[in-house]
Amino acid sequence: LAKTTQPISMDSYEGQEVNITCSHNNIATNDYITWYQQFPSQGPRFIIQGYKTKVTNEVASLFIPADRKSSTLSLPRVSLSDTAVYYCLVGDMNYGGSQGNLIFGKGTKLSVKP
Amino acid sequence: DTGVSQNPRHKITKRGQNVTFRCDPISEHNRLYWYRQTLGQGPEFLTYFQNEAQLEKSRLLSDRFSAERPKGSFSTLEIQRTEQGDSAMYLCASSSSQETQYFGPGTRLLVL
Repeated sequence: LAKTTQPISMDSYEGQEVNITCSHNNIATNDYITWYQQFPSQGPRFIIQGYKTKVTNEVASLFIPADRKSSTLSLPRVSLSDTAVYYCLVGDMNYGGSQGNLIFGKGTKLSVKP
Repeated sequence: DTGVSQNPRHKITKRGQNVTFRCDPISEHNRLYWYRQTLGQGPEFLTYFQNEAQLEKSRLLSDRFSAERPKGSFSTLEIQRTEQGDSAMYLCASSSSQETQYFGPGTRLLVL
């Protein structure tokens, strides 16, 4: 079973900011939070990763509250090309096996409309 | 581009045939993973290598499946006596220790 819970789908319009929230109530002390983006017929693409507070890169921001039981991926000013499935994973980066962040849920299907 | 590569990208085979897929990880990544993904689902973990050692196999990896990573570089995933239920996207990912995984483009298998 996935360790995370995300909305199944979200709709947005071009130019809007999109926030996708992921719940991970049982996150462990050493777990990191990682988000991937996947287009049809392609492999998942790494977007962002964080442990606590806020992380920002050229693509997105990741907000993690103090209790770390949830996280929010923020995509600024989305375009049609951001239409994809977004996955949230939690796991211990020290481990490469099933203790690591290997359990994908169904993700959130984001549809961006013109 | 020195990302993860997978070959072939597409494979159509008849039920009962054997197929083999290849994954070339990012150079110097010591961890390599195989996943399977069916339509509408997230990727499911199959197996994991640390260098040349296969350290973990999912219960999804039946005895018809075998994976190798000789010399700790590229990896192969073989499916023997394919069944229609094996039709899926097979994904490979690699990482360094304590780093995030990077995925290849996948191999889409269709078993007729």
